[in-house]
Amino acid sequence: QQPVQSPQAVILREGEDAVINCSSSKALYSVHWYRQKHGEAPVFLMILLKGGEQKGHEKISASFNEKKQQSSLYLTASQLSYSGTYFCGTEQGGRRALTFGSGTRLQVQP
Amino acid sequence: EPEVTQTPSHQVTQMGQEVILRCVPISNHLYFYWYRQILGQKVEFLVSFYNNEISEKSEIFDDQFSVERPDGSNFTLKIRSTKLEDSAMYFCASVGPLNTEAFFGQGTRLTVV
Repeated sequence: QQPVQSPQAVILREGEDAVINCSSSKALYSVHWYRQKHGEAPVFLMILLKGGEQKGHEKISASFNEKKQQSSLYLTASQLSYSGTYFCGTEQGGRRALTFGSGTRLQVQP
Repeated sequence: EPEVTQTPSHQVTQMGQEVILRCVPISNHLYFYWYRQILGQKVEFLVSFYNNEISEKSEIFDDQFSVERPDGSNFTLKIRSTKLEDSAMYFCASVGPLNTEAFFGQGTRLTVV
């Protein structure tokens, strides 16, 4: 069952902040965040593991609420380069392959 | 930096024809995946491969699909008899021994006419 992402789309001005949410009805082992620019492959941003371990990039932060099976990606002081579609991918129910949400389209305007 | 490479970048084929999409995963990676993305939609899992066999597959991965690792480097996805609805971007991904981030190839855009 795919995770649910919200919002579906966000438009920001440069320098503004955004939060993208990902939730699942199943117990999660990990949550992965990827950004995809138009016509390109998804690029890894961050992984959050059950138990609190995080691995990712310095300028991006995220949280993982294991009880609620939710993760949030925090984009602060957005730049034009942040534009793209953000996908969360989850490992759930013993399945190691990632199941991706429908994506959140983020557009940062000057 | 090591990368996953996919060939061809774009393939046009007639309905009913067989296609083989090729991927060279990162050399020390152990888990390999195929995903597809229909234009404008989310990335969908097709199949995962570990230790020279399929470890998981989705409902999309029916008898028309097969995967192989014919040698130590290539990982292929074959679609036996393509349908119009198979038109999509197909991504190969590999995951290393620490089983963390997935590295995606640049994709093969398959167009079935």
